[in-house]
Amino acid sequence: SQTIHQWPATLVQPVGSPLSLECTVEGTSNPNLYWYRQAAGRGLQLLFYSVGIGQISSEVPQNLSASRPQDRQFILSSKKLLLSDSGFYLCACRVLMNTGELFFGEGSRLTVL
Amino acid sequence: AQKVTQAQTEISVVEKEDVTLDCVYETRDTTYYLFWYKQPPSGELVFLIRRNSFDEQNEISGRYSWNFQKSTSSFNFTITASQVVDSAVYFCALTNTGANSKLTFGKGITLSVRP
Repeated sequence: SQTIHQWPATLVQPVGSPLSLECTVEGTSNPNLYWYRQAAGRGLQLLFYSVGIGQISSEVPQNLSASRPQDRQFILSSKKLLLSDSGFYLCACRVLMNTGELFFGEGSRLTVL
Repeated sequence: AQKVTQAQTEISVVEKEDVTLDCVYETRDTTYYLFWYKQPPSGELVFLIRRNSFDEQNEISGRYSWNFQKSTSSFNFTITASQVVDSAVYFCALTNTGANSKLTFGKGITLSVRP
């Protein structure tokens, strides 16, 4: 079965600094990958998804970007963080296209000061 | 467009009480999947159940049971004899099929089970 790793688990960054959150997947090939953000401890907002290497779809305009340099690697980045970027970031993968459930990583908690 | 509504935001019960978490969905697709996820305080989302649109049979797994009714577009989740470890945020979600399909989540219900 697949395993999703995210790091770092916790990050405190000043406003204006860059960001890089990494997600890697083990135990599967060619998954769909997703970045979600959970702000204020509640709802999940889809930020980006990728169906293959180099293929990124953005769901909302924002200060963030995503890249997929390898099949099982998904990176979330920012050149200059804003206070509003604080939140809990979750990476997820979908393996079985027909059934659709997502499996999530442990999450990365970002605090922008 | 897809939409998932979890009208309850916070529920508090005493241990051993039964509790039902409501989920109502909207979709124009005839084939779709519904899910429930649990988010304990650690933060990771744990997959609980998947149900496809053609299977309206209710499902029971231990103290958990799910009631799917297409007529009312609902997929409710009941925890019987709740325990403190059930305290978490519970999300209902919906997706259509296809390679580019995306999961739409409800806003979540915070369940607190008091000893």
